[in-house]
Amino acid sequence: NAGVTQTPKFRVLKTGQSMTLLCAQDMNHEYMYWYRQDPGMGLRLIHYSVGEGTTAKGEVPDGYNVSRLKKQNFLLGLESAAPSQTSVYFCASSWSGASYEQYFGPGTRLTVT
Amino acid sequence: GENVEQHPSTLSVQEGDSAVIKCTYSDSASNYFPWYKQELGKGPQLIIDIRSNVGEKKDQRIAVTLNKTAKHFSLHITETQPEDSAVYFCAASWGYSTLTFGKGTMLLVSP
Repeated sequence: NAGVTQTPKFRVLKTGQSMTLLCAQDMNHEYMYWYRQDPGMGLRLIHYSVGEGTTAKGEVPDGYNVSRLKKQNFLLGLESAAPSQTSVYFCASSWSGASYEQYFGPGTRLTVT
Repeated sequence: GENVEQHPSTLSVQEGDSAVIKCTYSDSASNYFPWYKQELGKGPQLIIDIRSNVGEKKDQRIAVTLNKTAKHFSLHITETQPEDSAVYFCAASWGYSTLTFGKGTMLLVSP
């Protein structure tokens, strides 16, 4: 099993450009999460999904959109990138809710200039 | 929402010493408290967790304690080794679906 994979690993965008980050998991997990990690700020939840076709806002959702059209995939979109969105983005999945282990992907390092 | 405070932000120890990282949480309804380890360039990985009906849990050299009354929990690593060097995050459940993470502790174990 590959676990949780993220595409791409690195990306540089100019302000105003758009992009989509792809997360895929092969563990048949119901729950999927997108976090951003900034120095000294820990992991902050952007959006999450409790099942195929569902999405919900996390702590820092502004400027991001998500979609979960297939159970194994969770997409994070930036419609108009801003320098404040420079960060490392992690996707995670879990079998059920918060009381279950979250499995993290390797991360995507995004730089917005 | 839930607020998780983690201390210290950095911790340097000599190989063989013990290390303790402490976290406090704000929501008395939180009932699940995991600890994640993040090695350089990788995603976080669960190392140990504790549920609110348990006061202490141990797994080889690592242990976690929970004080629900005081709303704090701690990670204890004994006989530290250089491979324990990493960033450690505590977290607390918030509602049914999500975790709130602390800001992390960078642990450096010197040979």
